[in-house]
Amino acid sequence: GEDVEQSLFLSVREGDSSVINCTYTDSSSTYLYWYKQEPGAGLQLLTYIFSNMDMKQDQRLTVLLNKKDKHLSLRIADTQTGDSAIYFCAESSSSASKIIFGSGTRLSIRP
Amino acid sequence: EAGVTQFPSHSVIEKGQTVTLRCDPISGHDNLYWYRRVMGKEIKFLLHFVKESKQDESGMPNNRFLAERTGGTYSTLKVQPAELEDSGVYFCASSQGTALIYEQYFGPGTRLTVT
Repeated sequence: GEDVEQSLFLSVREGDSSVINCTYTDSSSTYLYWYKQEPGAGLQLLTYIFSNMDMKQDQRLTVLLNKKDKHLSLRIADTQTGDSAIYFCAESSSSASKIIFGSGTRLSIRP
Repeated sequence: EAGVTQFPSHSVIEKGQTVTLRCDPISGHDNLYWYRRVMGKEIKFLLHFVKESKQDESGMPNNRFLAERTGGTYSTLKVQPAELEDSGVYFCASSQGTALIYEQYFGPGTRLTVT
């Protein structure tokens, strides 16, 4: 079945770049997403990319997609304390309405 | 515009009891989804409503879980009887149309603890 894998923890220094990686198995994935969950809050869609794209940039966020290797990454430039959260990688196909999520990567920022 | 709301935010019940979670989607959103995150693992899809009809309930774990959406507005998810492994965070999401499925808006979740 479909599976999304990501590392559980990442610690970066404030001001550095954070790179969160994810792999997925579904070759029919059409949409790939990054969601952010801050403490006590719901899931916030950060950004998404269509499977026919290689890269998407949105201010401090850069998403890279390697469809051949089924690898997705999220780069956060100039990481700030407000970026502390759990980041979920997710995918869905055009034939299904459900979103398949990974386990989430907890990003912590150190001074 | 109000977002997706869920009630309660936290529920603690004993094994064998019944709990009902409620989700109010964004007004006008025909699609409503339930997901849950158990034991800090991945967030898993439970089911999808289109208006009051169940479009996909392939993620429902067993018959102890019953989801309803009478009238096509808010939805309830009942767990009866609750088991220890049901503990986790239950998320609800809504969207206007499945053609743009990346536009699922999530609620804050209900944290269920079964003791």
